[in-house]
Amino acid sequence: GENVEQHPSTLSVQEGDSAVIKCTYSDSASNYFPWYKQELGKRPQLIIDIRSNVGEKKDQRIAVTLNKTAKHFSLHITETQPEDSAVYFCAAAPFSGNTPLVFGKGTRLSVIA
Amino acid sequence: EAQVTQNPRYLITVTGKKLTVTCSQNMNHEYMSWYRQDPGLGLRQIYYSMNVEVTDKGDVPEGYKVSRKEKRNFPLILESPSPNQTSLYFCASSSGGSTQYFGPGTRLTVL
Repeated sequence: GENVEQHPSTLSVQEGDSAVIKCTYSDSASNYFPWYKQELGKRPQLIIDIRSNVGEKKDQRIAVTLNKTAKHFSLHITETQPEDSAVYFCAAAPFSGNTPLVFGKGTRLSVIA
Repeated sequence: EAQVTQNPRYLITVTGKKLTVTCSQNMNHEYMSWYRQDPGLGLRQIYYSMNVEVTDKGDVPEGYKVSRKEKRNFPLILESPSPNQTSLYFCASSSGGSTQYFGPGTRLTVL
């Protein structure tokens, strides 16, 4: 089955700097890669996702890149702000209907003002 | 409002006392799932269901049961809870491989 590794487990950046979180996956059949943000005490919420026919996707300060050959994908946050502080989870799944998402273990991002 | 609801939000119980955590979604999603979240271990899937009367084990199913008699409901049952099931539980739903929506979470403590 799918296995998703996520690094780093914790990340501290100065406000205004960029943050990068990386994930690798094992199942070459996976072609859907969402990222979730979980603020303290709240539920995970989707912030961006990418499918295997796309190499990069951007949404304002957030971007995700995908390298299917190397089986890794990354989340990039530019111009970080204190409200970006949260735990971020990557996930992977075959986009073939209702198949389970496999999550990474999460990255705790702290943005220091 | 489209949403996933869970009840109760907080529960303190004792070892061996059967409990049920309810999950309901109003988005007509086929897929529903239960996760537990523990520090340093991320989100681990307990059970999932691809449609009514179809359920499958996730990564950590031991000690849990589920049922999917209706499309909107997916209760999680702990027949004989133990302290190692103390955790934060999330229900989630999605449709056709699209965005997975999470419920607000249930914090369970088993003494």
